[in-house]
This record gives sequence, structure tokens and C-alpha cells, in this order.
Amino acid sequence: DQQVKQNSPSLSVQEGRISILNCDYTNSMFDYFLWYKKYPAEGPTFLISISSIKDKNEDGRFTVFLNKSAKHLSLHIVPSQPGDSAVYFCAASDSGANSKLTFGKGITLSVRP
Amino acid sequence: DSGVTQTPKHLITATGQRVTLRCSPRSGDLSVYWYQQSLDQGLQFLIQYYNGEERAKGNILERFSAQQFPDLHSELNLSSLELGDSALYFCASSGGLAGVGETQYFGPGTRLLVL
Repeated sequence: DQQVKQNSPSLSVQEGRISILNCDYTNSMFDYFLWYKKYPAEGPTFLISISSIKDKNEDGRFTVFLNKSAKHLSLHIVPSQPGDSAVYFCAASDSGANSKLTFGKGITLSVRP
Repeated sequence: DSGVTQTPKHLITATGQRVTLRCSPRSGDLSVYWYQQSLDQGLQFLIQYYNGEERAKGNILERFSAQQFPDLHSELNLSSLELGDSALYFCASSGGLAGVGETQYFGPGTRLLVL
């Protein structure tokens, strides 16, 4: 049973445009959400996070939106750059239980020059 | 560079063998986590240690074990290896035990190939 779902396996976007990566979750106990970026042959790199008390968090070109009622979060990258091409993982944790992260399967983003 | 180091980067071994993967957390971090990424799976949580003690267990097989030493580095031991154990194994660390806002920082991973 996948508790964190990234239903689109891939996304292709033109350089300079907006990339929107979506993530859905089923466990209502999740209260902390993170996005990681991963290049081939490297470990996941932390990008941005949001706690359940917020609905938006922004860091430079990256913004994460959280819709708790829909159990949905999204990562917006504006403007997209070719260096953003990577696999993006959505992750969630339930701090009341322990701090293990539950990951989605990832979305491969390709930014075309 | 996340500050988390893992050795070795690559490991090739045969079925039935035993291997040890090593992880050094970021300076000051007390928690270490181990994750497995297989070809068709996302990252799966295996186990967490906090300041030398096991804190949480995920989908870790009985053939696998881990420990965290007084200097806070951790080792993941995989024994009686099977072909299906071939995967990327990642270690992550964070500062505290648990709580909202705990960001985990990942090492570069160890790629294990069981032949």
C-alpha cells in the first residue's frame, strides 16, 4: 500500500517555463513533507520542506504548496532550468510516530533548452 | 556535498555471502537512517538508530542488521545475500530524535550487485 504517490513518472518542460510536480498521500498522520532531487549515481539532495501547519513554503525558484484537505502537495519550479533535470522524490513523515520518511517513486523532470 | 559519507561506493559479491556497508553521519547528527532503493521501487526505509540505540524499524529483512557505534558511525550488515538484494543502499542523518521539521541528509549511496 503506497502511502505517498507520484502518479506521473515523467514531465518535460521548456526552459524558462514553470514545472509543476504533484504528490498525493493517504496517511492523515503525516505532518512534514519534503522534496528531494536526485541525479544519477548520487544520493537524494534535500530541496525544500513544509510542515502541516503551513500551506506554502518558498525558497528561491522553488515553492511547495500543501493542500491538507485534498492530501496533496505540489512543487513549483519557476523558471525551470536545464540543470533542474533530475528525478524528484516527494517524502512524508509522521513525527508523532518516528521520523522515518516515506517516499514516492519519483518523477523524472526533463527541462528542454 | 551533504556531509554524509558512505563506503564503499560499489560492491560486487556472490549469493550467500555477507557484506558490511558503512556510513558516517554529518557532524553533530545523532540519528542515522538506512534506506534501500531497488530498480522498481522507490526508497524504502530499513532502520533508524539514534545515539547508538535502535529507534525504528521498517521493511528490514531478518538477514539484515545494523548498529551505530559510540562515534555515531553506522554499519549495515547484509548476510546470506540473494540476487534480489541487489540495490542502492542509502544512509541519511539528521540532528535529533524525531519531531516536526526533521530534515534528513543523504549520503551518495552504496551500489550492491549480487551475482
